[in-house]
Amino acid sequence: DTGVSQDPRHKITKRGQNVTFRCDPISEHNRLYWYRQTLGQGPEFLTYFQNEAQLEKSRLLSDRFSAERPKGSFSTLEIQRTEQGDSAMYLCASSLDAGIQYFGAGTRLSVL
Amino acid sequence: EDKVVQSPLSLVVHEGDTVTLNCSYEVTNFRSLLWYKQEKKAPTFLFMLTSSGIEKKSGRLSSILDKKELFSILNITATQTGDSAVYLCAVLGGADGLTFGKGTHLIIQP
Repeated sequence: DTGVSQDPRHKITKRGQNVTFRCDPISEHNRLYWYRQTLGQGPEFLTYFQNEAQLEKSRLLSDRFSAERPKGSFSTLEIQRTEQGDSAMYLCASSLDAGIQYFGAGTRLSVL
Repeated sequence: EDKVVQSPLSLVVHEGDTVTLNCSYEVTNFRSLLWYKQEKKAPTFLFMLTSSGIEKKSGRLSSILDKKELFSILNITATQTGDSAVYLCAVLGGADGLTFGKGTHLIIQP
């Protein structure tokens, strides 16, 4: 499978715990994006990388959120001190330059 | 702030009907408009539109963009139960992240 892959698919955690998600983009894509989607809403942009550089962050990305793409390949999104309001689907997408963004299946986070 | 509004938010039709989904937008430095289909998993890409008046087709699906009136439509003819999904419209503007609408939840009844 050469699509965008995300791991884990589901994560249940208790409030206050830290969680980390991983995204592996399509191999030749240099851009990688993170989005968050809640029930009944479209995805909302969080941040994106071009190669290993994080170029843009949404105001939705509070200081509890951090993302990395250390070697310009896979990326991780960490949420520290999770809150119930963080419960959502976290989607990753990748593209070649500013072309079509292709999405992974997402990580569904439930914060109890 | 970029904005995308889709209508209707939900639609129930019978198999074989034709449907038209609407997407209007306000965006600075418009670059493209994209349609995705989402069935409880990854949004899957349907179309990318950059020029007004040029229809894009893929099987029973087609889409067109009007950059003067700032809207796009997605048409599905001879609908099938497998077309049931949420259809998302997104725009790429000055920022590199997509701005999405809330989606149209389409249900095709047999």
